[in-house]
Amino acid sequence: DGGITQSPKYLFRKEGQNVTLSCEQNLNHDAMYWYRQDPGQGLRLIYYSQIVNDFQKGDIAEGYSVSREKKESFPLTVTSAQKNPTAFYLCATGPDQYNSPLHFGNGTRLTVT
Amino acid sequence: DQQVKQNSPSLSVQEGRISILNCDYTNSMFDYFLWYKKYPAEGPTFLISISSIKDKNEDGRFTVFLNKSAKHLSLHIVPSQPGDSAVYFCAASVPGAGSYQLTFGKGTKLSVIP
Repeated sequence: DGGITQSPKYLFRKEGQNVTLSCEQNLNHDAMYWYRQDPGQGLRLIYYSQIVNDFQKGDIAEGYSVSREKKESFPLTVTSAQKNPTAFYLCATGPDQYNSPLHFGNGTRLTVT
Repeated sequence: DQQVKQNSPSLSVQEGRISILNCDYTNSMFDYFLWYKKYPAEGPTFLISISSIKDKNEDGRFTVFLNKSAKHLSLHIVPSQPGDSAVYFCAASVPGAGSYQLTFGKGTKLSVIP
């Protein structure tokens, strides 16, 4: 973690409800990312943002939405259109320069029933 | 199509011995490689990286080797300690204008037995 806060740690929702996951950073990094981790699947990129008010879809953006109204914050909304929303969601940041590692938050476990 | 492959889902090693975690990639454009360590219910932590201009990078007990011709990299942990028990992800990126994205492997769960 070290400056990346994801909240809450655990989240439970009923099917059909939208839910928003929070990610805040104080590392002054330009770029922010959302990944999803499923058992045996590794990490898959959902959305990323290199600058305020701009973001791009990753590999699995369907059923998700994001906003980047300020540098420190990059919330992810899991909509009811996401077919398999139960997963471990990870937010990451980086200085958006090449050959610099990403830093990850401690994740949010979302369970939808 | 999986561009970064970690073919061993799990690995068990005796404490004090060497752990070798392997990673293969298919995209010849990758030129920066990283290893992350992840404990359950936590985010991955950056461990070590290597640029394609090198074939070895060392940091304490951790060494990463890169074989570009074979499109293969490995992480060596010597000596292995029980606290090293975690899932290790290999990741790679291509140079690009602007964005910086990582492609991750599926991970290898390392168990270090005391």
